[in-house]
Amino acid sequence: QKEVEQNSGPLSVPEGAIASLNCTYSDRGSQSFFWYRQYSGKSPELIMSIYSNGDKEDGRFTAQLNKASQYVSLLIRDSQPSDSATYLCAVTGGSYIPTFGRGTSLIVHP
Amino acid sequence: GAGVSQSPSNKVTEKGKDVELRCDPISGHTALYWYRQSLGQGLEFLIYFQGNSAPDKSGLPSDRFSAERTGGSVSTLTIQRTQQEDSAVYLCASSRAGLETQYFGPGTRLLVL
Repeated sequence: QKEVEQNSGPLSVPEGAIASLNCTYSDRGSQSFFWYRQYSGKSPELIMSIYSNGDKEDGRFTAQLNKASQYVSLLIRDSQPSDSATYLCAVTGGSYIPTFGRGTSLIVHP
Repeated sequence: GAGVSQSPSNKVTEKGKDVELRCDPISGHTALYWYRQSLGQGLEFLIYFQGNSAPDKSGLPSDRFSAERTGGSVSTLTIQRTQQEDSAVYLCASSRAGLETQYFGPGTRLLVL
């Protein structure tokens, strides 16, 4: 059974702070890793994808992947109230069927 | 089109009726996925289509659920003899290939009375 674990939160951070979202996965054969943002009542939208160990930066977002520890994280710098949403971690391996975590709720308060 | 489209956006039906949900993926995307998301829950995988290959139906919760994809493009998810526990948002996603980024449609909100 492939599992992707996320802390459900809510994670509450003040505006301007760094939000750190974490995800662990069970399948060592996993190859592709994604972070999606989902606003209440909306469908998920891609924030970041990462495929190799290390950091990947895109604007205020940084994804970090450590395959040895089976761990992927998302850092959001200079958090804004508009970043308040549920963040879904998704992991895909050889079956091409992604496993999604249940999501972490992020609240950025002014 | 610019993105994945789904119809209808909302569907209210009576218990025992059949419903059909439609997904139109991004042009050129060979992979298509159906998911179900109940209120406050994560994404539940239902079925995966890749090109002309046989679909992976391992996530379908019962034989009341079926899906097809015609011409490698549009897909229809059919739920027969709907039950109240089928009430959820049904999301469709497509990607260029199996390991690549999925782009989600806006979903169909199904309510079974």
